[in-house]
Amino acid sequence: GAVVSQHPSRVICKSGTSVKIECRSLDFQATTMFWYRQFPKQSLMLMATSNEGSKATYEQGVEKDKFLINHASLTLSTLTVTSAHPEDSSFYICSAPHSGNTIYFGEGSWLTVV
Amino acid sequence: LAKTTQPISMDSYEGQEVNITCSHNNIATNDYITWYQQFPSQGPRFIIQGYKTKVTNEVASLFIPADRKSSTLSLPRVSLSDTAVYYCLLFGGATNKLIFGTGTLLAVQP
Repeated sequence: GAVVSQHPSRVICKSGTSVKIECRSLDFQATTMFWYRQFPKQSLMLMATSNEGSKATYEQGVEKDKFLINHASLTLSTLTVTSAHPEDSSFYICSAPHSGNTIYFGEGSWLTVV
Repeated sequence: LAKTTQPISMDSYEGQEVNITCSHNNIATNDYITWYQQFPSQGPRFIIQGYKTKVTNEVASLFIPADRKSSTLSLPRVSLSDTAVYYCLLFGGATNKLIFGTGTLLAVQP
């Protein structure tokens, strides 16, 4: 199947700093990508839909100024967690649709804010 | 948004066939049904996808009745390594977001 890759897989940052997570579609172009966060033993929660060349669409309750999403090319979307706090520690996952109706997911990125 | 409902958990033993059913009463005409498997600390992995009737691949079968208001993932002869959370999702057409339900935690015992 199609490949979606995230980087970094794990990152630790200090409170108050910003951290960027990249999501790449390796063998296909993605005009849309989805960003999720997942807490232990819970389901994935959709944060935002990233659209190439336009603003991201955020889900209700997600702070757009805190979780900055940039989809500058057809193969790359980035999520930047700004002014990170310990409560932002979570597992972040991106995904992208391929061939219209099939969604492929990245490996996920663990963020720990200390 | 279309929603999906699955059992929270299921137990099975190695070598058995496991069937996980998902309800999606409000499925839209152009929605496809896709099942994913997720292990801890990993992204969901594509298992199988279908629109109607039956689909089979090397790892699973997917049964979809004519009204498409439910779907059943069938895993033949499960092993311990099949212990994971399984999600059914709808995407396409009117469903332009991929919304996760609770998923089903399948625990396979020796």
